[in-house]
Amino acid sequence: ETGVTQTPRHLVMGMTNKKSLKCEQHLGHNAMYWYKQSAKKPLELMFVYSLEERVENNSVPSRFSPECPNSSHLFLHLHTLQPEDSALYLCASSQAASEGGYTFGSGTRLTVV
Amino acid sequence: GQNIDQPTEMTATEGAIVQINCTYQTSGFNGLFWYQQHAGEAPTFLSYNVLDGLEEKGRFSSFLSRSKGYSYLLLKELQMKDSASYLCAVRDGDYKLSFGAGTTVTVRA
Repeated sequence: ETGVTQTPRHLVMGMTNKKSLKCEQHLGHNAMYWYKQSAKKPLELMFVYSLEERVENNSVPSRFSPECPNSSHLFLHLHTLQPEDSALYLCASSQAASEGGYTFGSGTRLTVV
Repeated sequence: GQNIDQPTEMTATEGAIVQINCTYQTSGFNGLFWYQQHAGEAPTFLSYNVLDGLEEKGRFSSFLSRSKGYSYLLLKELQMKDSASYLCAVRDGDYKLSFGAGTTVTVRA
């Protein structure tokens, strides 16, 4: 149990589907993040939320849409994805500027067919 | 932009020592982190450096030189369970972590 829970663990979706990834943290952290992890590549920051407000959007295509309804929950809504979007999507949380860095969830392994 | 480099792979023998180097060029600096990630699992926090010098935590130590843009993670008394990917990350500001591509360490018996 890492303190950050992601669901589902695995997701296979067609290019015309709409699905959502969910992330939940009960650590009292004030920031949450979405990262994309592809094989042999650095983790790519997608979105940053601080106190439920989006503070960074790293030129992510509009087919990815984040939502942060409160400080404990973060969603990533997916629609009309491409096969190259297949990757591990990691959620993380942190307390701003702390020494502990991020706490990551176990990720959602997404396959787009 | 951010540029963080670390070796792709390293192999060592059980009981040995391995040093993973990380060099960085970033627009800002507010701490350097090392994470361990086993295959199919979440990255887990190993160490944090914000001032120059060595931080020791049991079998793992991490070193930072801000003037050289350089860090290393030292793994001592290697065990089979240490086989994993090790990620170097630099924080810019209060939030954003930029990651290297990771170093896959294989421990052999």
